[in-house]
Amino acid sequence: KAGVTQTPRYLIKTRGQQVTLSCSPISGHRSVSWYQQTPGQGLQFLFEYFSETQRNKGNFPGRFSGRQFSNSRSEMNVSTLELGDSALYLCASSTSRVESEQYFGPGTRLTVT
Amino acid sequence: AQTVTQSQPEMSVQEAETVTLSCTYDTSESDYYLFWYKQPPSRQMILVIRQEAYKQQNATENRFSVNFQKAAKSFSLKISDSQLGDAAMYFCAYRRNNAGGTSYGKLTFGQGTILTVHP
Repeated sequence: KAGVTQTPRYLIKTRGQQVTLSCSPISGHRSVSWYQQTPGQGLQFLFEYFSETQRNKGNFPGRFSGRQFSNSRSEMNVSTLELGDSALYLCASSTSRVESEQYFGPGTRLTVT
Repeated sequence: AQTVTQSQPEMSVQEAETVTLSCTYDTSESDYYLFWYKQPPSRQMILVIRQEAYKQQNATENRFSVNFQKAAKSFSLKISDSQLGDAAMYFCAYRRNNAGGTSYGKLTFGQGTILTVHP
């Protein structure tokens, strides 16, 4: 079974631009969560989508948004990029069963200049 | 809100020796999971071990075991017979469970502990 895939793997953007990151979960997984990892703040939860609905959201500004499609693939968008948005963005997928673990993708490294 | 604290930013161990990584957490929930994840330099997060709060028996996975003290809200990871491949950042994480046997996907992570293994 293929793992979680994230595209692109690396991205360089300029302040003020917007960016869209993509995550394809493991087949059969309907829950997709996004995390931001930075040296200063560590791993922080962005949001979770389940069956195309956002069911949990972290403490991030409205510039961060996401969506999930009917095939469970998810995208996250960051508008008006700031230098502080430079980070590794990790996506994880799981079933909704309580014993299910989360499987992480390799991440997208975003650099904002 | 739940918080997870790892008080050891860095730890080191000699190959074949044993090392214990510490983690404490704070929650008012009674039904939850605790996890240890490993993140090697490749940045791929890998689940090492997990513990359900309702289970009193400590989880074990080969050379990895936990010491789960629910009352003290402590969840330490013991790595026995350390290997060079164990070198990585280790994260302790918490996930709340919902009623009805489902769970949200949200993980709350600690700050991480960098583990160095010396040959």
